[in-house]
Amino acid sequence: QKEVEQNSGPLSVPEGAIASLNCTYSDRGSQSFFWYRQYSGKSPELIMFIYSNGDKEDGRFTAQLNKASQYVSLLIRDSQPSDSATYLCAVNDGGGSYIPTFGRGTSLIVHP
Amino acid sequence: KAGVTQTPRYLIKTRGQQVTLSCSPISGHRSVSWYQQTPGQGLQFLFEYFSETQRNKGNFPGRFSGRQFSNSRSEMNVSTLELGDSALYLCASSLSQGYTDTQYFGPGTRLTVL
Repeated sequence: QKEVEQNSGPLSVPEGAIASLNCTYSDRGSQSFFWYRQYSGKSPELIMFIYSNGDKEDGRFTAQLNKASQYVSLLIRDSQPSDSATYLCAVNDGGGSYIPTFGRGTSLIVHP
Repeated sequence: KAGVTQTPRYLIKTRGQQVTLSCSPISGHRSVSWYQQTPGQGLQFLFEYFSETQRNKGNFPGRFSGRQFSNSRSEMNVSTLELGDSALYLCASSLSQGYTDTQYFGPGTRLTVL
């Protein structure tokens, strides 16, 4: 059973701070990793994907991947109240189905 | 390029009825996946269609079925509705290009079973 674990939160950070969201996965053969943002009552929206170990930056967002330790994280710099949402981590094992396994998400609250 | 569209956006049904949901993928995307999302269970994979064939299936009862048409549009059907089927049903499309494949979600259909 492939598992993707996330702390459900809520993670509460002040406006302007760095929010750090973490995700661990069980399948060592996993090859691609995705972060989605989901506002309440809305559908998931892709933020970033990462395939290689290390950091990948896109604006205020940085994804960090460590395959040896089987975790992926998302950093949000200069957090804004509009970043308040649930963040879903998804992992694709590349084993042939290419259907990602989703974590249950971490709720982020950015307070003014 | 237009995104994934789903119809209807909201549905209210009663137990025992059946329902059909529709999904139109992003132009050029041949893979369509369906998910059920509830507060208690998170995002759960139902099935995936590619070139009109069900290629992957999640762990849901046979009351949940789907199909895909030649233009990649997909429908999902739930028969004999139960109260526990109340959920947000999400459709996602992708190019199906291997491990780099990225899923893009539609707005979802909110189903309420009374």
